[in-house]
Amino acid sequence: QVQLLESGPGLVKPSETLSLTCTVSADSINSNYWWNWVRQAPGEGPEWIGEINRSGSTNYNPSLRSRVNISIDKAKNQFSLRLTSVTAADTAVYYCASRGLEHFGMDVWGQGTTVTVSS
Amino acid sequence: EIVMTQSPATLSVSPGERATLSCRAGQSISYSLAWYQQKPGQAPRLLFYGASNRASGVPARFSGSGSGSEFTLTISSLKSEDFGTYYCQQYSIWRTFGQGTKVEI
Repeated sequence: QVQLLESGPGLVKPSETLSLTCTVSADSINSNYWWNWVRQAPGEGPEWIGEINRSGSTNYNPSLRSRVNISIDKAKNQFSLRLTSVTAADTAVYYCASRGLEHFGMDVWGQGTTVTVSS
Repeated sequence: EIVMTQSPATLSVSPGERATLSCRAGQSISYSLAWYQQKPGQAPRLLFYGASNRASGVPARFSGSGSGSEFTLTISSLKSEDFGTYYCQQYSIWRTFGQGTKVEI
């Protein structure tokens, strides 16, 4: 089964860009999945950020669309998240997750990485 | 944005008891609903998709039901490992999650 692992800085300054990478192992990122980013602020429910497929097609949460970019690097078996102009409200645990084509449930998740926005 | 409202916020139950969790969508979402279980310090785990389709490895004591705007997750006979927070998520229009129901044993 596919395994996912997030990586990236744990601390980002306000107004700067948050960049995270999810490495896909035990399966190829070129498989027929949608690769997702989800975040969860302390004490809150999860928030879906967006997703990308092997062709590079993307879907984004409308509330974040103006600040989000998700990209895919097949050579490295990775997909990435960039979130610009961050504020303290972007402090959260960030997860990468995958779903198949049959349904929209995300059935494989990474362990999550904590990102704090602070000067 | 479709708002998902879960109730109750906290549910205190004893092992062997039945637990019923509710999720209401702000508008009709047909069967476009997933349920997740999350334990402290862990990622969410998919339990159901399509409102009632059990994900791989989910015990039969868990069941999902509902359609339109009203959905229910039932745990027929609670086990100690079932503690945690349960979230519903709609995927009819983009994706939004509820605020969760914390199940305390």
